[in-house]
Order: sequence, then structure tokens, then C-alpha cells
Amino acid sequence: DTGVSQNPRHKITKRGQNVTFRCDPISEHNRLYWYRQTLGQGPEFLTYFQNEAQLEKSRLLSDRFSAERPKGSFSTLEIQRTEQGDSAMYLCASKRKGGKETQYFGPGTRLLVL
Amino acid sequence: QKEVEQDPGPLSVPEGAIVSLNCTYSNSAFQYFMWYRQYSRKGPELLMYTYSSGNKEDGRFTAQVDKSSKYISLFIRDSQPSDSATYLCAMSANTGNQFYFGTGTSLTVIP
Repeated sequence: DTGVSQNPRHKITKRGQNVTFRCDPISEHNRLYWYRQTLGQGPEFLTYFQNEAQLEKSRLLSDRFSAERPKGSFSTLEIQRTEQGDSAMYLCASKRKGGKETQYFGPGTRLLVL
Repeated sequence: QKEVEQDPGPLSVPEGAIVSLNCTYSNSAFQYFMWYRQYSRKGPELLMYTYSSGNKEDGRFTAQVDKSSKYISLFIRDSQPSDSATYLCAMSANTGNQFYFGTGTSLTVIP
């Protein structure tokens, strides 16, 4: 399968714990995006990378959230001191370089904070 | 006001019906328009992708964009039970930047 992959697919954690998610984009895609989706809502943008550079961050990305893409390939999203409001589906998408290429999404990581 | 408005439904139709899904938007800079299908607890799957105004057809699916009215539509012909899913519209001024999504419309096609 050459699509976007995300791990883990599901994560249950207790409030106050740290969690880290991983995204592996489609291999030739240089842009990588993180979105968050809560029940009954569309995905909301969090941040994106071009190669290893983080180019934009949403105001939704509080200081408890950090994302990295150290070698311009896979990316990690870490949430520190999780809160119940962090419970959501975290989606990763990637895009090939080029003005008219679109974003392709992975299956998501579903986080439940107890 | 949200950037993108989409009726959440739910929408229930009999098998074989024509389905019409719609979104409106407020940002006139948007010129890339996408429709994604999302099954329960799965990631969004790209269905249709159009640039600027006009129509695009792919099998049973037709996407329409009317930039003058800031209105986009997705039509599904001969709907099948396997089309039952949530349909998300998304748009952007530039595909390299963030996409703005509607809330999604939940569709059920009854056999």
C-alpha cells in the first residue's frame, strides 16, 4: 500500500499523559499536513511542513502540541499533558509538489483521553 | 461566520436515487474545490477535485462549481448502498496551504 499511513490507529490515555502519533506520507510528497477532526465536524487544520520546515501553525495548535518532520519524510505529532478536549481523530495528509496537486489523507489516529 | 457551510443532514434516499450535496463559502479567493468521502472511523478519501468554475464528471459523480454564487455541488447518480458515508466538501485558495472543510453531510442509501 503506497498511501499515507498513520500509527497508532487508536490511542486511549489518561488525562495528563503525553502521547505521540506518527505519519508516513506518500513517498514522493514533499508537503505534510496535520488536521484534527471531532465528532460531527469537518477536519480542522493544525500545521503543515514543506520537507522538514514547519511553514504554518494554526491557533488551534496550543503550546502543548508539537509537530516535527526531522528528515523531511515521516512526521510526529506530540500532545503533552493531554486534556479530555484533545479527544479527536488526528488526520495526516500529504501532497506532491506542484500547484494543482491535491492533498491525500491517511486513515487517522483516534485519540480518547479519559 | 464559518468559511464553509454545509448542511449536515442526515440525508436518506432509496437506492437508485439522484443525490445532491451542496456547500457554500464566503472567501472569494478559493479556487480549488474538493469532495471527500469518509466512512465511519476512517480517513477522508478524495472523490472529486476541480479547479475554478465549471463541471467535472467521473462515473456516477458530477461536481459543479459556481464561483459567482460561491456555491459548489456534488451529484451522485444511481446511488448505491455502498455510497452511504459522510461527504465532506473542502476548498482552498492554494492547494499547498490549508484546506477549509465543511462539517460533512451524512448520507444513507437504503436498499
